[in-house]
Amino acid sequence: AQSVTQLDSQVPVFEEAPVELRCNYSSSVSVYLFWYVQYPNQGLQLLLKYLSGSTLVESINGFEAEFNKSQTSFHLRKPSVHISDTAEYFCAVSRSSNTGKLIFGQGTTLQVKP
Amino acid sequence: ETGVTQSPTHLIKTRGQQVTLRCSSQSGHNTVSWYQQALGQGPQFIFQYYREEENGRGNFPPRFSGLQFPNYSSELNVNALELDDSALYLCASSPTSGGAFKTQYFGPGTRLLVL
Repeated sequence: AQSVTQLDSQVPVFEEAPVELRCNYSSSVSVYLFWYVQYPNQGLQLLLKYLSGSTLVESINGFEAEFNKSQTSFHLRKPSVHISDTAEYFCAVSRSSNTGKLIFGQGTTLQVKP
Repeated sequence: ETGVTQSPTHLIKTRGQQVTLRCSSQSGHNTVSWYQQALGQGPQFIFQYYREEENGRGNFPPRFSGLQFPNYSSELNVNALELDDSALYLCASSPTSGGAFKTQYFGPGTRLLVL
């Protein structure tokens, strides 16, 4: 069975500092990996995804994540955060061969302080 | 803007009642999935519909059921509501590509409160 572990439930950080949100997954088969962001009282927005190819994927707002197969990780990073990045971040995994059922982690709350 | 809409945005029901939640997917997205997100938790997969047939189900009882229509809309029905059904219900649609289901795009959700 697949599972996703987000290692930090809350990450407080000052504005313009770097941040890393950690995600590990367990799966014995090939997977697709996703990061979604959820702002207060809103649904989930796709931030970035790894389907195949380059293991480093980037979003349009400066986030990046690296797929590390040997460590079964997909950590999310940003070199300099803004107040507007304050949100809940969810890592998710989907088996590449099945119908796309997403397994989510518990979420990490990123709190950016001025 | 994902093009996925859900209605209503908020809903209050009492225990034992039935509820229907609605979702409208993007044109061309013939797969829709429903998720339940309890407060402080990650979303949990309820079920998925592909071309109007159930195509996978999570660990939810039969009182959770769904329908998908040819016009890219879908419904989640929950019978005999329980207090623990209080949650944000999210629908997500995805296109098919080469037979593999990939990225899912989420709607804003319906927040259900069961009293």
